[in-house]
Amino acid sequence: GNSVTQMEGPVTLSEEAFLTINCTYTATGYPSLFWYVQYPGEGLQLLLKATKADDKGSNKGFEATYRKETTSFHLEKGSVQVSDSAVYFCALNPQTGANNLFFGTGTRLTVIP
Amino acid sequence: NAGVTQTPKFQVLKTGQSMTLQCAQDMNHNSMYWYRQDPGMGLRLIYYSASEGTTDKGEVPNGYNVSRLNKREFSLRLESAAPSQTSVYFCASRDNLNQPQHFGDGTRLSIL
Repeated sequence: GNSVTQMEGPVTLSEEAFLTINCTYTATGYPSLFWYVQYPGEGLQLLLKATKADDKGSNKGFEATYRKETTSFHLEKGSVQVSDSAVYFCALNPQTGANNLFFGTGTRLTVIP
Repeated sequence: NAGVTQTPKFQVLKTGQSMTLQCAQDMNHNSMYWYRQDPGMGLRLIYYSASEGTTDKGEVPNGYNVSRLNKREFSLRLESAAPSQTSVYFCASRDNLNQPQHFGDGTRLSIL
């Protein structure tokens, strides 16, 4: 079946620290992978995506590489800011044409000055 | 840019009451979705509408009904609310199946 396993939080970092949030998946077919971010009181916003193996998605200093051999899509940022405090969700679209997104449980990140 | 608009933002119901959550998108997207978000469980799909005039069940459809009123609007109805339906509900839309989904800000629903 299809599922996403995401690093549990919460994660607390100091400003300018390096961030990694782990995400692994199981899927049939050839999935697309996404990271969404949810700021307090808001809906989910697409942060980045990758549609095939070895693709690297990037946005706002965040990066994630689609690794088919390890079925992973880990989120990284070299230097976090207080404004990055949010909940981050890894998600999978099982294959081209599928309607359902499968989400991880979310990881809450708090960045302290 | 409104995007996806959900109403209401907050609601408290008593067990057995009925309620309709509204969702509208102004991006001319074909597909629309309803999710619920519960602590420790991520988002789970309740129902979706691949195009105007069609609706299909998702992962957790029991206790809910939906209506795709037109291309813009997709409503979620709780006929007889239960405490287990206390959750945050998100509506989403996308243009086609290869594009990411765009989310509304959510409706926080409490059932006593």
